[in-house]
Amino acid sequence: DQQVKQNSPSLSVQEGRISILNCDYTNSMFDYFLWYKKYPAEGPTFLISISSIKDKNEDGRFTVFLNKSAKHLSLHIVPSQPGDSAVYFCAASVTGSQGNLIFGKGTKLSVKP
Amino acid sequence: ETGVTQSPTHLIKTRGQQVTLRCSSQSGHNTVSWYQQALGQGPQFIFQYYREEENGRGNFPPRFSGLQFPNYSSELNVNALELDDSALYLCASSSFTGTFYEQYFGPGTRLTVT
Repeated sequence: DQQVKQNSPSLSVQEGRISILNCDYTNSMFDYFLWYKKYPAEGPTFLISISSIKDKNEDGRFTVFLNKSAKHLSLHIVPSQPGDSAVYFCAASVTGSQGNLIFGKGTKLSVKP
Repeated sequence: ETGVTQSPTHLIKTRGQQVTLRCSSQSGHNTVSWYQQALGQGPQFIFQYYREEENGRGNFPPRFSGLQFPNYSSELNVNALELDDSALYLCASSSFTGTFYEQYFGPGTRLTVT
């Protein structure tokens, strides 16, 4: 039973436009959420995170939105750049679980010039 | 500052054999977590080591075991390899931010079991 779901395996966006990656979760105990980016032959790289006490967190071109009532979060990338092409993983955790991250299956983003 | 490193990069083993994977944590990090990433899946938590002791474990059988050394480097050992153990094995070292353990991943070891 998947606790973190990324229902879109892939997403294609034109350079300069907005990319929106979505993630749903089922465990209401999750209180910290992260997005990682992964290039081929590299490990996941931390992008941005959000605590459950917030509903939005921004870092440059990246913004994460959290809707706790819907158990849904999204990552917005504006403007999208070809270098953003990668697999994006949503991850969730429970405070006190020593950082045990539960990952979704990932969404492959392709940004076309 | 040195990042997380893992060795070897690739490994091919036969079913029933044993394997040891190694990880050096990022400078200043004392916690190491191991994840298994099967093809088309997200990383799945195996276990975590803190101060040389197992500090949390995912849904993996006992034939998956680990060690952490005084310098915080770590090993993942898998006994009696099965075909389904073929995956990318990721190591992550952690830094406590005051609210959360932020994890930094290595490039992984690609294990193929034939």
